[in-house]
Amino acid sequence: KNQVEQSPQSLIILEGKNCTLQCNYTVSPFSNLRWYKQDTGRGPVSLTIMTFSENTKSNGRYTATLDADTKQSSLHITASQLSDSASYICVVSASNDYKLSFGAGTTVTVRA
Amino acid sequence: DVKVTQSSRYLVKRTGEKVFLECVQDMDHENMFWYRQDPGLGLRLIYFSYDVKMKEKGDIPEGYSVSREKKERFSLILESASTNQTSMYLCASSKGLAGYNEQFFGPGTRLTVL
Repeated sequence: KNQVEQSPQSLIILEGKNCTLQCNYTVSPFSNLRWYKQDTGRGPVSLTIMTFSENTKSNGRYTATLDADTKQSSLHITASQLSDSASYICVVSASNDYKLSFGAGTTVTVRA
Repeated sequence: DVKVTQSSRYLVKRTGEKVFLECVQDMDHENMFWYRQDPGLGLRLIYFSYDVKMKEKGDIPEGYSVSREKKERFSLILESASTNQTSMYLCASSKGLAGYNEQFFGPGTRLTVL
């Protein structure tokens, strides 16, 4: 069964600090992995997409990494801002299925 | 700018009521999806539609039905609402069905069934 596990479930960081979120998956055969950001009361918005051959991708202060061998991904937030407070969802796609596998998300709270 | 809108942000219904959740997208996408989102769980697919009047069951279709009479509109119907259907409902659309096609999400409808 395709599964996506995210850790930690939640974290609190001070404004200006960095943090790293983890995503482990068992989805096979692997196609791609997306990180979504979901602000409170809003729908998820895609931050990055990574395919098998990519191991790093950045979007501003967000940097995603992918290790397809160990089936792990991380999302690093640099110099956090209050607006980074949100839930971050890891979503993995298999190449033989239209359905996506969603992680439960990590809730990040940035405090001034 | 791409846009998916949902008819209600918050909805409170009584057990046994028939509930309609509406979703509209303005991107001319072929595919539309309904998910529910519960704390501690990833998004779960209820139904999706790949064309007008075409639909397929997702992972948790029990207690739900859908309607897609026009390309831009996808409705989720709870025939007889129950308390275990209290949840956040998210609609999404995509151009293609393969996983590399980004799904664009609406703001969600938080449904409470009393």
